[in-house]
Amino acid sequence: GAGVSQSPRYKVAKRGQDVALRCDPISGHVSLFWYQQALGQGPEFLTYFQNEAQLDKSGLPSDRFFAERPEGSVSTLKIQRTQQEDSAVYLCASSLMGGDNQPQHFGDGTRLSIL
Amino acid sequence: GESVGLHLPTLSVQEGDNSIINCAYSNSASDYFIWYKQESGKGPQFIIDIRSNMDKRQGQRVTVLLNKTVKHLSLQIAATQPGDSAVYFCAGETGGGADGLTFGKGTHLIIQP
Repeated sequence: GAGVSQSPRYKVAKRGQDVALRCDPISGHVSLFWYQQALGQGPEFLTYFQNEAQLDKSGLPSDRFFAERPEGSVSTLKIQRTQQEDSAVYLCASSLMGGDNQPQHFGDGTRLSIL
Repeated sequence: GESVGLHLPTLSVQEGDNSIINCAYSNSASDYFIWYKQESGKGPQFIIDIRSNMDKRQGQRVTVLLNKTVKHLSLQIAATQPGDSAVYFCAGETGGGADGLTFGKGTHLIIQP
């Protein structure tokens, strides 16, 4: 079946530009997560949605990072005025229910490079 | 807060042998753990999970053991195959579901012919 889909797979931007990364979760999944993965590291939590509600954004590194999920399915992670330290792989994951103890299923990520 | 880490950055095993990847966690409130496999250029792939009310769980060729006393879990892969080459992450969750997973840095499993 269809998994989590992310686009674009690769994004190159100049420092100072705005970027938008898209995530299509598994159909019917209530929960959606965004993670940032630096080279050679494990993913780090950014933000969490349950349906269209953003319940936790404690991991967003600055106010330049903004995420939305207006209709409770597709989500967009936006980074404004990009900086070189924003270069990383951005992963999206979804899980079926809103409760805990549910496995999260990941997309293949968007590799963002800031020049 | 919680930290989840792996003991070794690289593990090299012979094809056909069993592999054991270890992980320690610090937050005794963690109640759910997942092992993921990540191949180059791909996202983490779910392997197996375990809840804190369990000590052991088995899947196809994989077993996860959880020792809550010493806050340690391990992933055992039986009869390791070339396709098992990847980076393996353990991840933990503290109850509530709204928290994201906390990942360790990963162990790179290398399969030698």
